[in-house]
Amino acid sequence: DAGITQSPRYKITETGRQVTLMCHQTWSHSYMFWYRQDLGHGLRLIYYSAAADITDKGEVPDGYVVSRSKTENFPLTLESATRSQTSVYFCATTGTASNEQFFGPGTRLTVL
Amino acid sequence: AQRVTQPEKLLSVFKGAPVELKCNYSYSGSPELFWYVQYSRQRLQLLLRHISRESIKGFTADLNKGETSFHLKKPFAQEEDSAMYYCALEADSGGSNYKLTFGKGTLLTVNP
Repeated sequence: DAGITQSPRYKITETGRQVTLMCHQTWSHSYMFWYRQDLGHGLRLIYYSAAADITDKGEVPDGYVVSRSKTENFPLTLESATRSQTSVYFCATTGTASNEQFFGPGTRLTVL
Repeated sequence: AQRVTQPEKLLSVFKGAPVELKCNYSYSGSPELFWYVQYSRQRLQLLLRHISRESIKGFTADLNKGETSFHLKKPFAQEEDSAMYYCALEADSGGSNYKLTFGKGTLLTVNP
């Protein structure tokens, strides 16, 4: 489990500010994912990436931007944070040998 | 588009009682179904998947294609089973970029 980490673990910001959540994995897995977890909605996919420089939208991409210049990193940026983006954000990764997804510890983001 | 439904947000049972967490899905292709679990203060982790047909921590789940269900069962619940459980679906195993569609989750509480 130490193979996938997220930072920061907790973040409080204000409406309109830009925030970047970091995700790092040490397995060199091809696929990486960003989810948000909200009460009553479960986990919803924001963006995913099949490899470096390949990203695609998930179910709820609006207001978020991702990049993947290196295989091991998959940062998620909120360009102008809104209160509706207050949530717990999980990064996950999977290799092609097994489709089990391994999750990071999560980042709890509060937008005031 | 695929959909996963977990009809119970909350489920409370007593220790030693049987437990069943319901999961129904909607998808016309050949999905792979998973149960993920999140214990308090821990990250989300895979509990079991239908293709492995194994029992993990006493839990089993059978894919019923006729009823499009993948209910999670355990004959005798333990207090350490208290957690949030998510049912998840991967459309066309491997061919969907390994994306998962999650249900909204069921919070299981096992009382002493």
